[in-house]
Amino acid sequence: QQQVKQSPQSLIVQKGGISIINCAYENTAFDYFPWYQQFPGKGPALLIAIRPDVSEKKEGRFTISFNKSAKQFSLHIMDSQPGDSATYFCAASEDSSYKLIFGSGTRLLVRP
Amino acid sequence: DSGVTQTPKHLITATGQRVTLRCSPRSGDLSVYWYQQSLDQGLQFLIQYYNGEERAKGNILERFSAQQFPDLHSELNLSSLELGDSALYFCASSVDLRSPLHFGNGTRLTGT
Repeated sequence: QQQVKQSPQSLIVQKGGISIINCAYENTAFDYFPWYQQFPGKGPALLIAIRPDVSEKKEGRFTISFNKSAKQFSLHIMDSQPGDSATYFCAASEDSSYKLIFGSGTRLLVRP
Repeated sequence: DSGVTQTPKHLITATGQRVTLRCSPRSGDLSVYWYQQSLDQGLQFLIQYYNGEERAKGNILERFSAQQFPDLHSELNLSSLELGDSALYFCASSVDLRSPLHFGNGTRLTGT
C-alpha cells in the first residue's frame, strides 16, 4: 500500500512535443505529491508539487494533473526541450510528513 | 546548487569495513533525511532526523545507523560493508517537518 507506481520507464519525445509521465498510488492517506527531476551525477531537484485539494497545478511548461478518485497523478511537460532530458520521479507522502515514497523513475530523452 | 553538502563524493571500500557518510544540511534547515538509490530498488527512504532527534525510519538494515549532531550535520554509518550496499546515498534537508526536501548530490559507495 506504500508503493507509488510510475510509468513509462523510459520516454522519447521530439523537441516541441508533450511529455507525459503517469503515477498511481493506493494509500489514500497520501496528501502531498511532488515531482523531482534528476540529472546524471546530481541529486533529485524539486520540480513541482500538488496537494489533493486541487486537480491541476501549472508552473511554466510543467503541469501536474491529479485525479483523486482514480488515485492517479501525472506530469505533463509542454514544448519539451533537449535540456529537459533527465530522469523524473514522482513521489508521495502522508500526514505532510515529507517522508517521501518515490516511484521507480522515468528516463526522458528529448530529441532535437 | 541545493545547498546540501555531502562528503565524500565517491567512496570505495573493502567489504567488512566501517563506512561513514557525511551530510551538511542547508543553512537553517533542521530536518535531515537519508535515501539510498540503487538501480533495482530506486530511491528508498532510510531515516529522518529533526533537530537532533530521530523522527522516522524506513527499511534500514541493522548494520546502518545514523545521527544528527548539535550543529545539525548528519552522518550515516555502515558497520560492516557488504557488496549489496553499493549504491548512491543521498541526504536531503528541509526547514521543518512540513517543508519540501532539498537533496544533495549524493555519495557513490562501492564495496570491493
